[in-house]
Amino acid sequence: GDSVTQMEGPVTLSEEAFLTINCTYTATGYPSLFWYVQYPGEGLQLLLKATKADDKGSNKGFEATYRKETTSFHLEKGSVQVSDSAVYFCALKGNAGNMLTFGGGTRLMVKP
Amino acid sequence: KAGVTQTPRYLIKTRGQQVTLSCSPISGHRSVSWYQQTPGQGLQFLFEYFSETQRNKGNFPGRFSGRQFSNSRSEMNVSTLELGDSALYLCASSPESGGAYEQYFGPGTRLTVT
Repeated sequence: GDSVTQMEGPVTLSEEAFLTINCTYTATGYPSLFWYVQYPGEGLQLLLKATKADDKGSNKGFEATYRKETTSFHLEKGSVQVSDSAVYFCALKGNAGNMLTFGGGTRLMVKP
Repeated sequence: KAGVTQTPRYLIKTRGQQVTLSCSPISGHRSVSWYQQTPGQGLQFLFEYFSETQRNKGNFPGRFSGRQFSNSRSEMNVSTLELGDSALYLCASSPESGGAYEQYFGPGTRLTVT
């Protein structure tokens, strides 16, 4: 079945540091890929998405590129802020229905 | 547009009881999906409803059930609660089922089973 693997956290960075959170996936066909963010006590917010190979999703300074050859969708940001502290989830969705398969989540902590 | 709403936000139940959680999707959205989030198992798909029909079902026992009404609102029910059912239950709505449509999540219902 489909699966998503992302780096375990927590990831601790200083403000303005560069962020990379690795995400790889296993899926049949051509899934859509997503990054969601969860702030304490809240639900999930869609951060960005990519629907086909070589697509780059971007939002709020975050970027991720759908790499089919390496089955990866790594999240990057050039300069993190304290307000980016949250848990980040990589997810995929196949072509049938709306079922999302999530990675285990990566907690990011940004220190001033 | 109002976002996805879930009620109640917090619940405390006793083992063996049953519970019903409610989800109101974004206006115009026809698909509602449910997820269970726990520290040990992470985020797991429970089921999806689209146009009042269950579209997909995750790997959960039959104690977990759901339904969708004609106005797209959805409920999920858990019978004979177990301690392991303590979790954050999230619902997500989407305009359609399938394709690359985004899903919008509610704030969740925090269920504690004692």
